[in-house]
Amino acid sequence: IAGITQAPTSQILAAGRRMTLRCTQDMRHNAMYWYRQDLGLGLRLIHYSNTAGTTGKGEVPDGYSVSRANTDDFPLTLASAVPSQTSVYFCASSDILGANVLTFGAGSRLTVL
Amino acid sequence: QKEVEQNSGPLSVPEGAIASLNCTYSDRGSQSFFWYRQYSGKSPELIMSIYSNGDKEDGRFTAQLNKASQYVSLLIRDSQPSDSATYLCAGGGGGADGLTFGKGTHLIIQP
Repeated sequence: IAGITQAPTSQILAAGRRMTLRCTQDMRHNAMYWYRQDLGLGLRLIHYSNTAGTTGKGEVPDGYSVSRANTDDFPLTLASAVPSQTSVYFCASSDILGANVLTFGAGSRLTVL
Repeated sequence: QKEVEQNSGPLSVPEGAIASLNCTYSDRGSQSFFWYRQYSGKSPELIMSIYSNGDKEDGRFTAQLNKASQYVSLLIRDSQPSDSATYLCAGGGGGADGLTFGKGTHLIIQP
């Protein structure tokens, strides 16, 4: 089934630890995105990528990094997790740059203690 | 800063009635608008997109866009209990930086 796969589904993490959330899509979409969703704040863009080899910062990029080595994978790394990064993280992709029709993964729930 | 505003609700509508969801946006450069539905604990799923002024209908759903007023709405006719969810309005400028989402409106359809 074509779509976006995120891993892990859920994770509890100690503050200060490094964590990578994985995102893989099999739709050959050129654009990929990472959003976080928090109660009362909605979905906020962390980082995005237009195509393999390029990335950009969204609304809330601090404390996060991404890479785009190929079309399919777009991992999000928290170098040193803090409790304020407790959130649900959604990876998304779109097929035509600028068309903005996003397809979302199932999400990764991260708790930082 | 780009903003998309929605009433958080909850909006309670009787089964079979029309549910009306509204959204305003700040960025006049936004060219595309979307309504996503999100069930509790699930990811957002696209239900409607609209790119030009006027109405767009798809089954029980009608999206309306008024760029002069910077206003987007979603009408759900013959509301069903399965329509109970949070509805996210989103806008995009056609660039590479994704969509700006509103905080969502929680819709409850009362049987």
